[in-house]
Amino acid sequence: DAGVIQSPRHEVTEMGQEVTLRCKPISGHNSLFWYRQTMMRGLELLIYFNNNVPIDDSGMPEDRFSAKMPNASFSTLKIQPSEPRDSAVYFCASSNTGTVVLAKNIQYFGAGTRLSVL
Amino acid sequence: RKEVEQDPGPFNVPEGATVAFNCTYSNSASQSFFWYRQDCRKEPKLLMSVYSSGNEDGRFTAQLNRASQYISLLIRDSKLSDSATYLCVVTFSGSARQLTFGSGTQLTVLP
Repeated sequence: DAGVIQSPRHEVTEMGQEVTLRCKPISGHNSLFWYRQTMMRGLELLIYFNNNVPIDDSGMPEDRFSAKMPNASFSTLKIQPSEPRDSAVYFCASSNTGTVVLAKNIQYFGAGTRLSVL
Repeated sequence: RKEVEQDPGPFNVPEGATVAFNCTYSNSASQSFFWYRQDCRKEPKLLMSVYSSGNEDGRFTAQLNRASQYISLLIRDSKLSDSATYLCVVTFSGSARQLTFGSGTQLTVLP
């Protein structure tokens, strides 16, 4: 199994530019999560999808952030326009909400995208 | 008050030592509990689930105390490779799929 795949691994951009982060979840997983991690705030859930449908986006900081999941094998997180305070590591995770109770909640993380907005 | 609180550390211990981390959670209706491990500049990875009766995986023992709303992780005979940040993770009733992460406890095992 290839695991959760995120791209790019690193992104350096200038303030005001659009940034698109990509994620391919583990095949067969039906839930996908986007997180942001900073030293100050730790790991924060931004949004999650179940069966490609956004379930809870209350963690999305503001309208500059948007996420889509057009199919079961791909999701994007877009920031437009980007600001220096968006600099962070963005993780995508997936899980399989199957029949085993505890297994439902085990999330597998991608390697993350390290974003720097100058 | 944060939903999941941990002592950030850092904990610096010699090889072979036993070290314990605690974590408290605020929502008494919490359902599932985990410890994740995150190495420097890497992604979080599941270390172990925490069951009500307590559970052990090699040198690692996890305990859950629902009455006091805390979870613990005990590492025996610590190795250099145990150096990492340990994240306490909880799911809350009504949001079973969502994980709420503590801020993590940093452990450094010294030679």
